[in-house]
Amino acid sequence: QTVVTQEPSLTVSPGGTVTLTCASSTGAVTSGYYPNWFQQKPGQAPRALIYSTINKHSWTPARFSGSLLGGKAALTLSGVQPEDEAEYYCLLYYAGAQLGVFGGGTKLTVL
Amino acid sequence: QVQLQESGPGLVKPSETLSLTCTVSGGSISSYYWSWIRQPPGKGLEWIGYIYYSGSTNYNPSLKSRVTISVDTSKNQFSLKLSSVTAADTAVYYCVRQIAASGWALDYWGQGTLVTVSS
Repeated sequence: QTVVTQEPSLTVSPGGTVTLTCASSTGAVTSGYYPNWFQQKPGQAPRALIYSTINKHSWTPARFSGSLLGGKAALTLSGVQPEDEAEYYCLLYYAGAQLGVFGGGTKLTVL
Repeated sequence: QVQLQESGPGLVKPSETLSLTCTVSGGSISSYYWSWIRQPPGKGLEWIGYIYYSGSTNYNPSLKSRVTISVDTSKNQFSLKLSSVTAADTAVYYCVRQIAASGWALDYWGQGTLVTVSS
């Protein structure tokens, strides 16, 4: 069974920078896994932030960026705002996008 | 702007079939993939499967034996059926647009609908 792993929780100070990662049990994550990132606030549907590793949606704030880092997909928030406190999920695709697997989510606290 | 809206019963009995419909407005259902994703209360997201507007489908292997996703282009709708449900299928169900040409991005999401499995 394929498992996608994220940090369960991270804390960052307002104005700071934080990097969330997304690892695959099958090995190094590459662009071929089409990493996607989503933000979810309590009681709301997830909101898409990043697709295909680095690409932003038209509504994605500039302070969010995606990359590959040390064999993992990564989401970096630079100049964190209080409203960035949320749960963040990554999604990786396997078998030529025949299967999508979400990570367990990272709860980001801005403190 | 594209909007998606889930509809269907909020309560389903164990062993019965869960049926949900997603209505797409503000754009055509054609030329895109359409997905269902669920989230049990207090837990993470699970990808259920997707359908292309032409009708081809792909399902999560863990649910494949119980899932059917269909599309009705004339109504700009697609649907989910999940058979033989148990309490473990209690979740918020989201319908989502998926764009293959953009790295399989899941861009527009419905607000989600809570389905509870209970007698």
